[in-house]
Amino acid sequence: DGGITQSPKYLFRKEGQNVTLSCEQNLNHDAMYWYRQDPGQGLRLIYYSQIVNDFQKGDIAEGYSVSREKKESFPLTVTSAQKNPTAFYLCASSKSNQPQHFGDGTRLSIL
Amino acid sequence: AQSVTQLDSQVPVFEEAPVELRCNYSSSVSVYLFWYVQYPNQGLQLLLKYLSGSTLVESINGFEAEFNKSQTSFHLRKPSVHISDTAEYFCAVSGGNYGGSQGNLIFGKGTKLSVKP
Repeated sequence: DGGITQSPKYLFRKEGQNVTLSCEQNLNHDAMYWYRQDPGQGLRLIYYSQIVNDFQKGDIAEGYSVSREKKESFPLTVTSAQKNPTAFYLCASSKSNQPQHFGDGTRLSIL
Repeated sequence: AQSVTQLDSQVPVFEEAPVELRCNYSSSVSVYLFWYVQYPNQGLQLLLKYLSGSTLVESINGFEAEFNKSQTSFHLRKPSVHISDTAEYFCAVSGGNYGGSQGNLIFGKGTKLSVKP
């Protein structure tokens, strides 16, 4: 079945450590997105990518980095510069002019 | 700039009662409107969407939403809720190329629907 796979489901980060969240889709979607979800805050856009080898900052990109080397993959790195990384991270993808489809998320916590 | 307001952060209702989850947006141009549902520790699932045409849109599980341009609203309703409808519901808005290639899907802060027996 086609879909979006996020891994791991739970992730723990030590102080000063970079961690990478995986997002893979087999829907042949051109666009991919990363959101951060905090309780009572809704979803906030971190980065998005419309095509391979191109991506744009969203509303809260500071402390995060991404790459889009393949159409299917859009990994998100949470760097040590992100001082409050504890959150639920959601990846989404879409075809042009179609609604976004979401993965099941990765919950990141600080040790 | 576009924004989305979900007026109620939590809505408790009894099973088989009707429910309305409110959503208002602010935009002077044409928009596209969505409702997503999120069950605990899962991603978001598209519930229904308004792109154009009939202002009343329906989902397969009994929810409906009506686009009201004059009131800039897109409220979600269900005439009789079930325990399984307990979840968080997000209203989202996009303009231009909706929901997609321009990454401009703007979400409300969500409404937690709690259905009690």
